[in-house]
Amino acid sequence: QVQLQESGPGLVKPSETLSLTCTVSGFSISIGHYWGWIRQSPGKGLEWIGNIYNSGTTHYNPSLKSRVTISVDTSKNQFSLKLSSVTAADTALYYCARDKGGGGWTFDYWGQGTLVTVSS
Amino acid sequence: QSALTQPASVSGSPGQSITISCTGTRSDIGGFNYVSWYQQYPGKAPKLIIYDVTSRPLGVSNRFSGSKSGNTASLTISGLQAEDEADYYCASYTGSSTLVFAGGTKLTVL
Repeated sequence: QVQLQESGPGLVKPSETLSLTCTVSGFSISIGHYWGWIRQSPGKGLEWIGNIYNSGTTHYNPSLKSRVTISVDTSKNQFSLKLSSVTAADTALYYCARDKGGGGWTFDYWGQGTLVTVSS
Repeated sequence: QSALTQPASVSGSPGQSITISCTGTRSDIGGFNYVSWYQQYPGKAPKLIIYDVTSRPLGVSNRFSGSKSGNTASLTISGLQAEDEADYYCASYTGSSTLVFAGGTKLTVL
């Protein structure tokens, strides 16, 4: 059974960098599939942040691209998110997920999500 | 990229059928057969219920079905049950190799 678990600080100061890690179990990232980050602001809808393949190939949401870096560490079976210059608008529940493959971006396995609050 | 458009809320009585629409453009829904739908309960992660416009993952009830016409995709839930009360989100792959979500629809079972 594929499982994903997000981890990282729950509180980040404005203008600093948000850093989260997703640890995957039950499936090796090295095998394939894209892996993604999605966020959900309190009481709001879902927003795709970006995806990464095990080779390091990335695709980002254009609205966040200038501030986002997604990386992968296949030796640890993890992938990570960095979002720089955060503001209160970046306060959200951050999910990591696996793209099912086969074309398009479709997430079949999700982590439980981790809440990140941006506040001084 | 602009978000897709869904109604904020829909409601129906047990046993009825409801349809949630999701409207995009030629650059997303209209251009690709990569529309997906997610069900989300409060405090839980989204769950994939429809992908590639009409396909259902293993284990998802056949009461859930998807379709598309032009730039609009639809999710139909037949034989509505109390457990279907949740938020539903559509998403579409775009021509820029990105993904766009709609704002979500809250389904109330009366």
